[in-house]
Amino acid sequence: ETGVTQSPTHLIKTRGQQVTLRCSSQSGHNTVSWYQQALGQGPQFIFQYYREEENGRGNFPPRFSGLQFPNYSSELNVNALELDDSALYLCASSLKLGGTDTQYFGPGTRLTVL
Amino acid sequence: AQSVTQPDIHITVSEGASLELRCNYSYGATPYLFWYVQSPGQGLQLLLKYFSGDTLVQGIKGFEAEFKRSQSSFNLRKPSVHWSDAAEYFCAVGGPSSGGYNKLIFGAGTRLAVHP
Repeated sequence: ETGVTQSPTHLIKTRGQQVTLRCSSQSGHNTVSWYQQALGQGPQFIFQYYREEENGRGNFPPRFSGLQFPNYSSELNVNALELDDSALYLCASSLKLGGTDTQYFGPGTRLTVL
Repeated sequence: AQSVTQPDIHITVSEGASLELRCNYSYGATPYLFWYVQSPGQGLQLLLKYFSGDTLVQGIKGFEAEFKRSQSSFNLRKPSVHWSDAAEYFCAVGGPSSGGYNKLIFGAGTRLAVHP
């Protein structure tokens, strides 16, 4: 157990819809990162939030957006869903930005887009 | 460009046999290197990490990894594999060249099967 939880576990949506995925970080962790893991691939960095501000983004379009809240929870929002958005979405939290702190991953949300 | 290559997509070993999973990276600066394990339906669990110092790093569950700068490698080893080690293993790199130490670049993974 990493202390990082994600909801929902599984989700099915259709193309064009919007989805919100949620993550609850470990208490005190002010940095959260989101990753997309397509089937058979390694996770890809989507973006990171530090103290409620976006702090870096990977190669993902603006329809992927996020929020981080003061209570250590965060959201990943995806608009205009495409079939290729089907993946496992992982969040990871760490105590602070940078440094040698360990990132703790949640179990992920499996999103299927039909 | 920064990247991580795990040359072996799938490896099968017998229980009790030794294991080595290969990882090669391409990175502009001194990398931070990680090995994670993912069991079916689970998130990623950190096995070990290398930041600096001793190039032989000990991790959890009896795993170790050796950083070889000259070969741009960070191979994971275990002297005796247990059936419970069957999982997918990911090598990852982070650091200034990827925008931060916890903005990780992952390899595609190596799936480990263990025969009884």
